[in-house]
Amino acid sequence: DAGVIQSPRHEVTEMGQEVTLRCKPISGHDYLFWYRQTMMRGLELLIYFNNNVPIDDSGMPEDRFSAKMPNASFSTLKIQPSEPRDSAVYFCASSFSLAGLGTEAFFGQGTRLTVV
Amino acid sequence: AQSVTQLDSQVPVFEEAPVELRCNYSSSVSVYLFWYVQYPNQGLQLLLKYLSGSTLVKGINGFEAEFNKSQTSFHLRKPSVHISDTAEYFCAVSSTGFQKLVFGTGTRLLVSP
Repeated sequence: DAGVIQSPRHEVTEMGQEVTLRCKPISGHDYLFWYRQTMMRGLELLIYFNNNVPIDDSGMPEDRFSAKMPNASFSTLKIQPSEPRDSAVYFCASSFSLAGLGTEAFFGQGTRLTVV
Repeated sequence: AQSVTQLDSQVPVFEEAPVELRCNYSSSVSVYLFWYVQYPNQGLQLLLKYLSGSTLVKGINGFEAEFNKSQTSFHLRKPSVHISDTAEYFCAVSSTGFQKLVFGTGTRLLVSP
């Protein structure tokens, strides 16, 4: 398996524009996570899905952020409108459940977003 | 609520020397503890995990960590580091397995010849 695949790897956009980050989890994994990494706040869990259903979105910073998982092999994180403070590295990760617990989360290489 | 404290933002060490990266956590419930490593421009990779059982946990690349409940610590150790261990190391805690990890701020390990 190719691992968790994120696209694009880098994104530079102007303030006010819509940004869509994409993630393809590992086949067979039923959990998908979106994290954001910044120097100031470190790694934060934004939202996670189980079997394509959002379970906890309490980490989503505000209504400008939305995430979807239309099927088991694809998820998007959208920011509309984007602001400079959204600049960060966004990671997607996936895992599968075993005996009611998640197992190791595998991370993608991340998308570095710069909003100017 | 849970939190993780990694007091050392950066740890410089010479090659083949031992190293300890410190991690303390706070939680009102039982926890699961993890160490992840992040190499430059890469995602995170699991080094080791404590779920239950033996408090001494061995992971990949020669790393190990010890869970100390009384001191609420989960320090990461390696007896002899290599240049290739240069990376950022994150401690994380969860009360629900892997579903909701709370990460520390990370410790940058710098190994020099």
